[in-house]
Amino acid sequence: SQQGEEDPQALSIQEGENATMNCSYKTSINNLQWYRQNSGRGLVHLILIRSNEREKHSGRLRVTLDTSKKSSSLLITASRAADTASYFCATVLYNNNDMRFGAGTRLTVKP
Amino acid sequence: DAGVIQSPRHEVTEMGQEVTLRCKPISGHNSLFWYRQTMMRGLELLIYFNNNVPIDDSGMPEDRFSAKMPNASFSTLKIQPSEPRDSAVYFCASSPRDTNSPLHFGNGTRLTVT
Repeated sequence: SQQGEEDPQALSIQEGENATMNCSYKTSINNLQWYRQNSGRGLVHLILIRSNEREKHSGRLRVTLDTSKKSSSLLITASRAADTASYFCATVLYNNNDMRFGAGTRLTVKP
Repeated sequence: DAGVIQSPRHEVTEMGQEVTLRCKPISGHNSLFWYRQTMMRGLELLIYFNNNVPIDDSGMPEDRFSAKMPNASFSTLKIQPSEPRDSAVYFCASSPRDTNSPLHFGNGTRLTVT
């Protein structure tokens, strides 16, 4: 069963704009991770944020985590056409080792 | 580092046939995961191994599915007999330690059962 739910399901923006994707989950987590998937390929890890962290940055990526609201957001700044992909959040439950993925957000960046 | 290697890349088979998917994890990784991806159900965790031992197979759909990890460098996912509803992309992923570290995915096996 899926744990995380991404919002929106699809997002279309112009190159140079920022893209924000949200993820909500239901139970206590150990950490939350964001992945990217290009068409026909496997998922690629982007960033991991632990339950005791509130914000992390990696290049043009910024991730926030609000454990009280059970939600996370992924911000991609100054988007590029090459950022076009599906983005998934994945949660690792507290006291568990399996990782559950949401349904993903399909991001299209128009040149 | 060659990454996680899955074979075959594509598999087309007839209903009732046995299908075996293969995975070679990244050397030194202790955890291995099998996922299935479909449009309708998204990414589903089927089973994961830690140090070659199956830890949680609650995601395996039914007894037709089985997975093995005979050693640290090889795992198989077998479907016998296959059915059209098994058509999906099957991903293998490995992790250095556990899910407190990132998963490294293979490029998947696209299975079509006719």
